[in-house]
Amino acid sequence: EAQVTQNPRYLITVTGKKLTVTCSQNMNHEYMSWYRQDPGLGLRQIYYSMNVEVTDKGDVPEGYKVSRKEKRNFPLILESPSPNQTSLYFCASSPLSPTPERDGYTFGSGTRLTVV
Amino acid sequence: AQSVTQLDSHVSVSEGTPVLLRCNYSSSYSPSLFWYVQHPNKGLQLLLKYTSAATLVKGINGFEAEFKKSETSFHLTKPSAHMSDAAEYFCVVIRGGSQGNLIFGKGTKLSVKP
Repeated sequence: EAQVTQNPRYLITVTGKKLTVTCSQNMNHEYMSWYRQDPGLGLRQIYYSMNVEVTDKGDVPEGYKVSRKEKRNFPLILESPSPNQTSLYFCASSPLSPTPERDGYTFGSGTRLTVV
Repeated sequence: AQSVTQLDSHVSVSEGTPVLLRCNYSSSYSPSLFWYVQHPNKGLQLLLKYTSAATLVKGINGFEAEFKKSETSFHLTKPSAHMSDAAEYFCVVIRGGSQGNLIFGKGTKLSVKP
């Protein structure tokens, strides 16, 4: 089944303890992206990647890191989490060719992160 | 710059009555627009998309949206609401000049009363 898999689904951690949220897709998509969802704000883009070793900042990149060493994986790293990073996180992927406009985006099921 | 504005943060309808979720967009060129739905504690699912073909777009579960350039709108409608339609709905545009990046509206929560 074509899908984007995020792990973990739920995570509670303490301020300052480094964590990684994994994202993997099995559709050979070039494009991958991370979003955070907060009440009343919709989804905001954190980082995105157009292909292996190509990453760029989105609208809210502060406090986050990403890497794209393999096409299928796009982990989100919080080096020193803070309470304001408590949020619901989504990973998404899409082909670039044909265009995303034609095929749309596939989203993971989300990771609910709580930083205390 | 591209943007979308969802005009209602919350819409409540009775089962069997029509649904209208409003979205206005801002774009300097012909945009690609989507509607996504998020059911409680679930991920996002694509409802429908507009990519400059037909202006009336039909999606899944009986939803449709009409692209109106003169009004810069892309409202989502359904003739008859079902209880299972209760969810949050997002209007989304692709950011221009940066292929693949999505800009989300703030969402409209749809409640359906029995």
